[in-house]
Amino acid sequence: KAGVTQTPRYLIKTRGQQVTLSCSPISGHRSVSWYQQTPGQGLQFLFEYFSETQRNKGNFPGRFSGRQFSNSRSEMNVSTLELGDSALYLCASKLGGEWETQYFGPGTRLLVL
Amino acid sequence: QQQVKQSPQSLIVQKGGISIINCAYENTAFDYFPWYQQFPGKGPALLIAIRPDVSEKKEGRFTISFNKSAKQFSLHIMDSQPGDSATYFCAASSRSSGGYQKVTFGTGTKLQVIP
Repeated sequence: KAGVTQTPRYLIKTRGQQVTLSCSPISGHRSVSWYQQTPGQGLQFLFEYFSETQRNKGNFPGRFSGRQFSNSRSEMNVSTLELGDSALYLCASKLGGEWETQYFGPGTRLLVL
Repeated sequence: QQQVKQSPQSLIVQKGGISIINCAYENTAFDYFPWYQQFPGKGPALLIAIRPDVSEKKEGRFTISFNKSAKQFSLHIMDSQPGDSATYFCAASSRSSGGYQKVTFGTGTKLQVIP
């Protein structure tokens, strides 16, 4: 099975712009979670989608939003970008049940100038 | 209360030695403790995980030790190899207010195994 794929892999934006990142989960996986990884804060949970519904949310401002489509693919959007949004954004997928292993994609590295 | 504190931040171990990474938590609602390994340019991958009803779990050269009363858990890598050089994250999982599993990660330990 193909792994989790994320596009684009690298992105450069300027402050105030918005960005959309895409994640394709492993075939059959219905849960997609998004994380922000920075050297100072480590991995921080953004949100989780399951069957097109957000079922879990981290402590990020409303500028960070997401959605999931009927084929389980997910997008994450960040509006009004700030310098501090520069990070590696990871998505992870799993079948959807409890205590399952989540599989991470390689991430999208976002640089905000 | 949702924090997971991980130490050390970085670790250099000689080939064949034992690598030890420690984590501590406060939230007693955590009920699943996975460890992830991340190589440069890759996403984290699950290495080994433990439930709090078990004090130790071993898989190959990797062992998790869990001390429920102290709210601490650690990863031991026996016979460390240069190929183990990576960043390791401990994590703890609890249920969110909506009843779903939510994972909190430690800040990571960069391990370098030197020949």
